[in-house]
Amino acid sequence: DQQVKQNSPSLSVQEGRISILNCDYTNSMFDYFLWYKKYPAEGPTFLISISSIKDKNEDGRFTVFLNKSAKHLSLHIVPSQPGDSAVYFCAASARTSGTYKYIFGTGTRLKVLA
Amino acid sequence: DAGITQSPRYKITETGRQVTLMCHQTWSHSYMFWYRQDLGHGLRLIYYSAAADITDKGEVPDGYVVSRSKTENFPLTLESATRSQTSVYFCASIRQGADTQYFGPGTRLTVL
Repeated sequence: DQQVKQNSPSLSVQEGRISILNCDYTNSMFDYFLWYKKYPAEGPTFLISISSIKDKNEDGRFTVFLNKSAKHLSLHIVPSQPGDSAVYFCAASARTSGTYKYIFGTGTRLKVLA
Repeated sequence: DAGITQSPRYKITETGRQVTLMCHQTWSHSYMFWYRQDLGHGLRLIYYSAAADITDKGEVPDGYVVSRSKTENFPLTLESATRSQTSVYFCASIRQGADTQYFGPGTRLTVL
């Protein structure tokens, strides 16, 4: 049972436009969400996070939105740059239960076209 | 340099052989994790450890063994490798109370 789902395996966006990556989760105990970025032959690197007490978190060109009622989060990248081309993973954990276990989605491959 | 390292980076082995993947971190992070990445499955947690001598199963632990005698090391052993264990393996660590995990560069394992 996939508790964290990224239903779009790939996404292509023109440089300068907005990229929107989506993630859905099923476990209502999840209260902390993260996005990681992964380049080929490298480990994932942390991008941005959001706690369930917020509905938005912004860091430069990256904004994460959380809709708890829909169990949905999205990552917006504005403006998109060619260097943003990578695989993006969302991850979730139930931090208030004291766990540091993260459940990851299957990833979305973003390609930003110059 | 400080950080999290994995060795070997690439490994080819045969079915039935024992293989150990190493993970070392220099931050003294209490938590360490092993994931495997497979097409269509994303990153799946194999085992994790909250501290030295404390380990627990993740989502896909079958066929794997871990140990953690020292805080900085978290080796992953495939006792009898199978073709289905061909994958890219990532080690990660996190400091207690922190928000994010730091990942190693990965080990690409091929089981023939």
